[in-house]
Amino acid sequence: AQSVAQPEDQVNVAEGNPLTVKCTYSVSGNPYLFWYVQYPNRGLQFLLKYITGDNLVKGSYGFEAEFNKSQTSFHLKKPSALVSDSALYFCAVRERYSSASKIIFGSGTRLSIRP
Amino acid sequence: GAGVSQSPSNKVTEKGKDVELRCDPISGHTALYWYRQSLGQGLEFLIYFQGNSAPDKSGLPSDRFSAERTGGSVSTLTIQRTQQEDSAVYLCASSGQTGFSAEQFFGPGTRLTVL
Repeated sequence: AQSVAQPEDQVNVAEGNPLTVKCTYSVSGNPYLFWYVQYPNRGLQFLLKYITGDNLVKGSYGFEAEFNKSQTSFHLKKPSALVSDSALYFCAVRERYSSASKIIFGSGTRLSIRP
Repeated sequence: GAGVSQSPSNKVTEKGKDVELRCDPISGHTALYWYRQSLGQGLEFLIYFQGNSAPDKSGLPSDRFSAERTGGSVSTLTIQRTQQEDSAVYLCASSGQTGFSAEQFFGPGTRLTVL
């Protein structure tokens, strides 16, 4: 069965510092991996996804994520955090060749950027 | 263009009553998903519609939950005989692409409170 884990409920970072939001997964074969962000009082928005090719994926708002097959991880990163990045971040995984249609979301990590 | 819309934005009901939640996907999107997000939790998959195919209902938590999608567009999630544990934010998402790598576009959600 596929699963995804976000080990940190909350991440606190000072503005201007680099940030990392961790995600690990368990799935048969190579997965599709996603990051979504949920700003306060707004719906989830797609940030980026890994399909194939370059392990470093670049997405919206300066975010990027690195697919690491050996560590089964897909950590979200940004070189310099902004206060406006404060939000709830969800990692998600989907089996590549499964007939199952479900995408599995992690429990979310609340990112707080202090000025 | 218009995004995914959901109504109502908030619904307060009494235990035992039935509720209907509505989702209007992005025009032309063939895939539609319902999720439930409880406080402090990740997204729980409920049901998935893809075109004219039979829906994937594997995430529905009990037979009190049902959903339909009329004309391949608007969808209604119905919860019968609501219970307090049904209180959550119900999210709808649509996707314009087939295949497992497609990103989803989320609506703002309906916050359901069962008293």
